[in-house]
Amino acid sequence: QSVLTQPPSASGTPGQRVTISCSGSSPNIGSNTVNWYQQLPGTAPKLLIFRNDQRPSGVPDRFSGSKSGTSASLAINGLQSEDEADYYCAAWDDSLNGPVFGGGTKVTVL
Amino acid sequence: EVQLVESGGGLVQPGGSLRLSCAASGFTFSSYEMNWVRQAPGKGPEWVSYITSSGTTIYYADSVKGRFTISRDNAKNSLYLQITSLRAEDTAVYYCARVRTSYYGSGSSKTYLYYYMDVWGKGTTVTVSS
Repeated sequence: QSVLTQPPSASGTPGQRVTISCSGSSPNIGSNTVNWYQQLPGTAPKLLIFRNDQRPSGVPDRFSGSKSGTSASLAINGLQSEDEADYYCAAWDDSLNGPVFGGGTKVTVL
Repeated sequence: EVQLVESGGGLVQPGGSLRLSCAASGFTFSSYEMNWVRQAPGKGPEWVSYITSSGTTIYYADSVKGRFTISRDNAKNSLYLQITSLRAEDTAVYYCARVRTSYYGSGSSKTYLYYYMDVWGKGTTVTVSS
């Protein structure tokens, strides 16, 4: 059981917009910034979004993040086949004194 | 190129031990805090342990406290995780990851402005089975 809650799956056709939600609580998302990681099949997680809505160098601008209260979301605009991956949200948790992750959302490009 | 390379994983019997290593290159290792994160098959990542740049402050997840020991050798640009009393539920891919953080306060009174892991290794697999 993950501390942060994500839907297990999401899908869309090429070019569509897909959004992934991440629900937390006061000690984690409610008090700290949210990060998103992309994990392509058979690879390590890769930082996709940090500090709620910042993209590292090299991440396409079709990926965007937002946060409101104890929830956050990741949007993929103009879905592409190479976006098929697992996506994880994460945040520091003041109660657990460590970073916590969501269970992941598998994005499928139809 | 900024890189982290883990090694030391393998098949071990319940109750056994392993020492995982993480070799860093392409950045000033001694300036960064580091994490170990693991991912069990089909599950999301789980934070395991944290160490400050100097090695003076260390934290563990409750699930591994007392069994795992994190350490680092800045002269060798290396991070380590000694894992003992292994259980089946410790089976996972173990990743080392570079931490980027800003906070104020100290100890249990820290307030984080941000906390994320920007560089990950490819991982090393630990399988606990008889």
